[in-house]
Amino acid sequence: KNEVEQSPQNLTAQEGEFITINCSYSVGISALHWLQQHPGGGIVSLFMLSSGKKKHGRLIATINIQEKHSSLHITASHPRDSAVYICALQGAQKLVFGQGTRLTINP
Amino acid sequence: SQTIHQWPATLVQPVGSPLSLECTVEGTSNPNLYWYRQAAGRGLQLLFYSVGIGQISSEVPQNLSASRPQDRQFILSSKKLLLSDSGFYLCAVRTVSNYGYTFGSGTRLTVV
Repeated sequence: KNEVEQSPQNLTAQEGEFITINCSYSVGISALHWLQQHPGGGIVSLFMLSSGKKKHGRLIATINIQEKHSSLHITASHPRDSAVYICALQGAQKLVFGQGTRLTINP
Repeated sequence: SQTIHQWPATLVQPVGSPLSLECTVEGTSNPNLYWYRQAAGRGLQLLFYSVGIGQISSEVPQNLSASRPQDRQFILSSKKLLLSDSGFYLCAVRTVSNYGYTFGSGTRLTVV
């Protein structure tokens, strides 16, 4: 079993829909990261969470340490949100990555 | 804030040729540096990381090596490329102060 599991693997939605991507993990962590990878391959760090909830624009990330679960939400989704979203666990020196969720927002 | 310079953006190399990818960091000192690879359709895999000059930790046995000759310079090398070395290579930096990560723009390597 992988240390980190993301769901769904692929998600297609219409512009304006509320999006939720889930990340479950099975090990202790010091923090959890949400990353965005665009089609060209570049990766942008969206959030680093160790507890609670963070919000940046239309993006919201939550984490429940006891349940070992995190979610990334996108409100009022837009075609430019189309990308691969990756959950990553922070270990002592390195990140352990989920397989990613490919999000496609249609106009 | 820290920035990463990674080059080249794309590279096509014949099997058996050498490889050198360079990553330099600005805006921080004594960072942790990382090389990741993403094969086509796969997730990110950690190849090497370094917590200081001259210190390299290898995560998987492979045809590649890494070096850190200066505090903010991280180099990924191979003496003889294999077809299986094709992929997207990303450099990343983690600052010791706030533990956040910044990723380079990546190098897409095709071995032919």
